[in-house]
Amino acid sequence: EADIYQTPRYLVIGTGKKITLECSQTMGHDKMYWYQQDPGMELHLIHYSYGVNSTEKGDLSSESTVSRIRTEHFPLTLESARPSHTSQYLCASSEGSGRETQYFGPGTRLLVL
Amino acid sequence: AQSVTQLGSHVSVSEGALVLLRCNYSSSVPPYLFWYVQYPNQGLQLLLKYTSAATLVKGINGFEAEFKKSETSFHLTKPSAHMSDAAEYFCAVSDQRRRDDKIIFGKGTRLHILP
Repeated sequence: EADIYQTPRYLVIGTGKKITLECSQTMGHDKMYWYQQDPGMELHLIHYSYGVNSTEKGDLSSESTVSRIRTEHFPLTLESARPSHTSQYLCASSEGSGRETQYFGPGTRLLVL
Repeated sequence: AQSVTQLGSHVSVSEGALVLLRCNYSSSVPPYLFWYVQYPNQGLQLLLKYTSAATLVKGINGFEAEFKKSETSFHLTKPSAHMSDAAEYFCAVSDQRRRDDKIIFGKGTRLHILP
């Protein structure tokens, strides 16, 4: 069954730690996205990718980085976590143009102490 | 620049009553419009989308929305609310002419269903 997965679902970590949030999809989509979502707020695009070896910054500035070495995999890394990074991170993928549906993973809820 | 405004961060309706969630968009070019739903502890799921075909769009779970260009609106409705409809609903807009495929989300409306 085609799907999009995110791990871990929940993460509590101390300040200064390096973390990687995993995102994988089995739909063969070229386009992938990372959004940051705070409670009661809209989703903000922080990174996107058009395909392998393609990564772009989104509308919201983020200290995180991403990589796209394989079509199905789009991990997000924070080199040194801070309390201001506490949020929910959602990964999504789509087939192509802006009219296409974005398929979302279940999200990773990050708490940095 | 594109944007969406969702009127009401919280909406409460009784079970069996009409659901109406409001969304107004701003776009200088023909838009694509979407409604997504987010259940607790889950990601977003597409309810329906408008892509310049029929202005009345039917989606999953009995929801529908009507694109009204003159009012720049894309309100979401359901004739009879069910307890399982309790969730967060996001309206979103995409520019038909953009090449970067970004979509802009509203702040969301939390729908509460009263027994």
